[in-house]
Amino acid sequence: EADIYQTPRYLVIGTGKKITLECSQTMGHDKMYWYQQDPGMELHLIHYSYGVNSTEKGDLSSESTVSRIRTEHFPLTLESARPSHTSQYLCASSESGTTASYQETQYFGPGTRLLVL
Amino acid sequence: AQKITQTQPGMFVQEKEAVTLDCTYDTSDQSYGLFWYKQPSSGEMIFLIYQGSYDEQNATEGRYSLNFQKARKSANLVISASQLGDSAMYFCAMREGHSGGGADGLTFGKGTHLIIQP
Repeated sequence: EADIYQTPRYLVIGTGKKITLECSQTMGHDKMYWYQQDPGMELHLIHYSYGVNSTEKGDLSSESTVSRIRTEHFPLTLESARPSHTSQYLCASSESGTTASYQETQYFGPGTRLLVL
Repeated sequence: AQKITQTQPGMFVQEKEAVTLDCTYDTSDQSYGLFWYKQPSSGEMIFLIYQGSYDEQNATEGRYSLNFQKARKSANLVISASQLGDSAMYFCAMREGHSGGGADGLTFGKGTHLIIQP
């Protein structure tokens, strides 16, 4: 059972505002990920982290930034929200260990639905 | 080129029937993993089943099984005895072993919207 949390679940905000989407997991997983999903579409990886102080950009270019100061916490920030940022943002985590990375199951949080007016 | 292809945008199935959701993939890596996720209308992604590229047996998890045909690069999800609660979006995803580099995450297909009818 995955224990990964995202807040807020829904956010409606005006253009130009700074926002931070929170993601926390209590499983002690070292790897964490952010995906973006437009309505009715597939998920795209925008950021990932291998552990504390590690952040990498994903396949899809994003104006958002992330930080990883604590193992359990992986927040995503948009400095100036725009209508084009309207989407669902899903956070995930996985445990690295004796298995190869392609074998790791990613567990997802409930997602944040962002609407920028 | 699409790495994950799901050719069925939507499917209607009668309750209690078996259903097969198609997924084909494209990779030059020898090492890769294939995953299926379920996404209800509430939005969360629920992990269903995993198949590794070196696994010789098809994966099974309860009512879910994966029909893995490596030569055809196919990883179809089979749901036996479908239930009304199975109505959701279903996504096939792949994680490559990164022999060629690239971002280290899942690549998803566009999904299949499954509706179970009573």
